[in-house]
Amino acid sequence: SQQGEEDPQALSIQEGENATMNCSYKTSINNLQWYRQNSGRGLVHLILIRSNEREKHSGRLRVTLDTSKKSSSLLITASRAADTASYFCATAPLSGGYNKLIFGAGTRLAVHP
Amino acid sequence: GAVVSQHPSWVICKSGTSVKIECRSLDFQATTMFWYRQFPKQSLMLMATSNEGSKATYEQGVEKDKFLINHASLTLSTLTVTSAHPEDSSFYICSARKLAGDINEQFFGPGTRLTVL
Repeated sequence: SQQGEEDPQALSIQEGENATMNCSYKTSINNLQWYRQNSGRGLVHLILIRSNEREKHSGRLRVTLDTSKKSSSLLITASRAADTASYFCATAPLSGGYNKLIFGAGTRLAVHP
Repeated sequence: GAVVSQHPSWVICKSGTSVKIECRSLDFQATTMFWYRQFPKQSLMLMATSNEGSKATYEQGVEKDKFLINHASLTLSTLTVTSAHPEDSSFYICSARKLAGDINEQFFGPGTRLTVL
């Protein structure tokens, strides 16, 4: 399968709680990106982390990358109902000339007021 | 900004007809565009890479005669689903690549929902 794996597949939390999603991938990468998708809509780019970076922050988002374990995590702090969406990680494999993005299976996050 | 549009946003067609979906980069030039399909509650599966002025590169298992891709200009790629059947019903999303150094930064269109009756 070209996809990596994400867990959990679904996550349900209350507003104000933190949400953590994990992503594992299979090949060596140039970078890893996280995207958000509202139901039936296109993707919104959230954050990109390069293979030589270990952690990156953007607002309420914190992304970590462990290339030795081929895994990444996305933490959303102080979640809001508007954060309800599906979240996907996508890796840019070293093979293929940085051209492709391979998407993980995604985590469906539901934030309840 | 980096805005990508798709047209139409949704289409319903009869089995056996062909459907064309357009993907446009509105405020930047894209030598490379990508086409994905997404089934309900599933992830995006890359179908093909569309290169301006040359033939598309299809992923394994994707029929090139079934899904015709044309990238005639630096701002437009089209996907034509030929002789569509109900199993082709899906959400089709395009993205356009904006080069930023060695980073493969893709900007996604809003998607086209195809329903084949």
